[in-house]
Amino acid sequence: NAGVTQTPKFQVLKTGQSMTLQCAQDMNHNSMYWYRQDPGMGLRLIYYSASEGTTDKGEVPNGYNVSRLNKREFSLRLESAAPSQTSVYFCASRITGTPNTEAFFGQGTRLTVV
Amino acid sequence: GQQLNQSPQSMFIQEGEDVSMNCTSSSIFNTWLWYKQDPGEGPVLLIALYKAGELTSNGRLTAQFGITRKDSFLNISASIPSDVGIYFCAGRNQGGSEKLVFGKGTKLTVNP
Repeated sequence: NAGVTQTPKFQVLKTGQSMTLQCAQDMNHNSMYWYRQDPGMGLRLIYYSASEGTTDKGEVPNGYNVSRLNKREFSLRLESAAPSQTSVYFCASRITGTPNTEAFFGQGTRLTVV
Repeated sequence: GQQLNQSPQSMFIQEGEDVSMNCTSSSIFNTWLWYKQDPGEGPVLLIALYKAGELTSNGRLTAQFGITRKDSFLNISASIPSDVGIYFCAGRNQGGSEKLVFGKGTKLTVNP
């Protein structure tokens, strides 16, 4: 069972570089999410997608763009990386519309911007 | 935005001791969740609570959904070394967009 797979696991970028974080789930979930985790801050929602073709901003969307490529894949793009975007990024997926179902998380992408 | 206050921030205990942590909110939630995160891993769901007053157990873990809908606690009994990690509470208000709000976490260290 792969669950939620994130690539890459680690990345170092220079300020101003761009990159895309990839996320794929094989559980046929309709909703997908991107969170960032900073020390002492818990997880904060960047963007989410309730279904294929739809995306919405979360709590901290500035500096990011997302694409829900299909039902399985939800990517997060940093167009011009900044040191403030150094963080651990988690993708999650969930079935919504079905009672009492909760999100599964990937293992994270550890991003450092220098 | 909505915020969850999770306490304590960290705990250092001896193996075999019981642990208690809690979350409070100024907002009402319809769902409370407790996750555990091991180093280098993503959060894993421990317990989900869907009704005010609900008390749910998962092995040595017990969690309760506060009657006011603004708080929840998690207890771990007879701690063992593999309980080490960061525990997060999360709340969801299904009247909105079903987004989760996370607490800042409780870092648990268990000394053998």
